[in-house]
Amino acid sequence: DAGVTQSPTHLIKTRGQQVTLRCSPKSGHDTVSWYQQALGQGPQFIFQYYEEEERQRGNFPDRFSGHQFPNYSSELNVNALLLGDSALYLCASSSPWTGYAGELFFGEGSRLTVL
Amino acid sequence: AQKVTQAQTEISVVEKEDVTLDCVYETRDTTYYLFWYKQPPSGELVFLIRRNSFDEQNEISGRYSWNFQKSTSSFNFTITASQVVDSAVYFCALSDLDDKIIFGKGTRLHILP
Repeated sequence: DAGVTQSPTHLIKTRGQQVTLRCSPKSGHDTVSWYQQALGQGPQFIFQYYEEEERQRGNFPDRFSGHQFPNYSSELNVNALLLGDSALYLCASSSPWTGYAGELFFGEGSRLTVL
Repeated sequence: AQKVTQAQTEISVVEKEDVTLDCVYETRDTTYYLFWYKQPPSGELVFLIRRNSFDEQNEISGRYSWNFQKSTSSFNFTITASQVVDSAVYFCALSDLDDKIIFGKGTRLHILP
């Protein structure tokens, strides 16, 4: 049973560019959340997708957008990249059966470096 | 506003010693959930435990134990007889019913052989 998979694992972009990160949730999970983890910090909630809609959003600008597909996979898009967007981006999925604040299963993340 | 504080940035202990990681939280909600996650060098966060605000029973799972005290808003994590494989960054986290999880800044634990 595959866990949460993310791609790419590493990428380098320059300021002003756009990036798309991808996530496939654990089998049987329908909810996907995205987190940003800067170096030496805890993960910060970006947004959550359920039934192809953004259900919750953290304190991130509109440059951060996402999408969820019918197969529950998800994309995170960041436009007009800034140096401060350099971070590990983590995707987490959860099951509809665990209710609110259920156990999150995380992928290994996509490490983005903005030069 | 919700907040999680892990005052210990980094801890080093010798293998087989016991170690306690501290976590203090703030929330105005009466119903909330507390978590601990482990992040090994691979980067993947590994779920360790979830506790709801109505269950103050301490929990033990093998060498791991958790002490939840509502009176002091703390949810501390103890590893007994530590092993080198326990070396990782440990995060305490808090969530209310909106399903958004707030993480602390983490404690980096070094277990020295």
